[in-house]
Amino acid sequence: DTEVTQTPKHLVMGMTNKKSLKCEQHMGHRAMYWYKQKAKKPPELMFVYSYEKLSINESVPSRFSPECPNSSLLNLHLHALQPEDSALYLCASSSGQGRTYEQYFGPGTRLTVT
Amino acid sequence: QKEVEQDPGPLSVPEGAIVSLNCTYSNSAFQYFMWYRQYSRKGPELLMYTYSSGNKEDGRFTAQVDKSSKYISLFIRDSQPSDSATYLCAMSSIQGAQKLVFGQGTRLTINP
Repeated sequence: DTEVTQTPKHLVMGMTNKKSLKCEQHMGHRAMYWYKQKAKKPPELMFVYSYEKLSINESVPSRFSPECPNSSLLNLHLHALQPEDSALYLCASSSGQGRTYEQYFGPGTRLTVT
Repeated sequence: QKEVEQDPGPLSVPEGAIVSLNCTYSNSAFQYFMWYRQYSRKGPELLMYTYSSGNKEDGRFTAQVDKSSKYISLFIRDSQPSDSATYLCAMSSIQGAQKLVFGQGTRLTINP
């Protein structure tokens, strides 16, 4: 099973709202990722968690706040977003050892900021 | 110059044709090479990955890596309308294995 699940599928939020995106995997993977993807562009890496610790932050604005409560779950907390933050937000996971390049993606959350 | 170059297409071919998708790269440290398929409004799906140079075959799909030319390819034999999607190449180095560098993606349509 190579399934990564994400909720919600769609999210519309105003610029003053606070919302969270959720990601879950049960493959025993120890690395989890958040990506942002704009239309007709490749995914852009935002954050990487390895063994529940933040290992990479690609200079993402503080209005995006990641959290890894345990090895199966990954959250992305959103606050005071801008319309240009509208995009498909993808979660991915990979084995924590030796095969971190082999990343499996979830279906994404399509976020619209109004 | 981008680290990974991929022709965005679009590429349109008739059903049953052999499709060739390609990427070039500039970073000689890349050792892992992946191909992802992404259907419209879905997440990318890992199709194949290859370490270093050589060929890898999986059903109708063949991935080739030529490190001397810094060139990778994905061939799709007996293409089907269900193969219509955007194909993304991705690569990473040993030290930076978690950071995939993606090509722009090639939009492929297989016409019945």
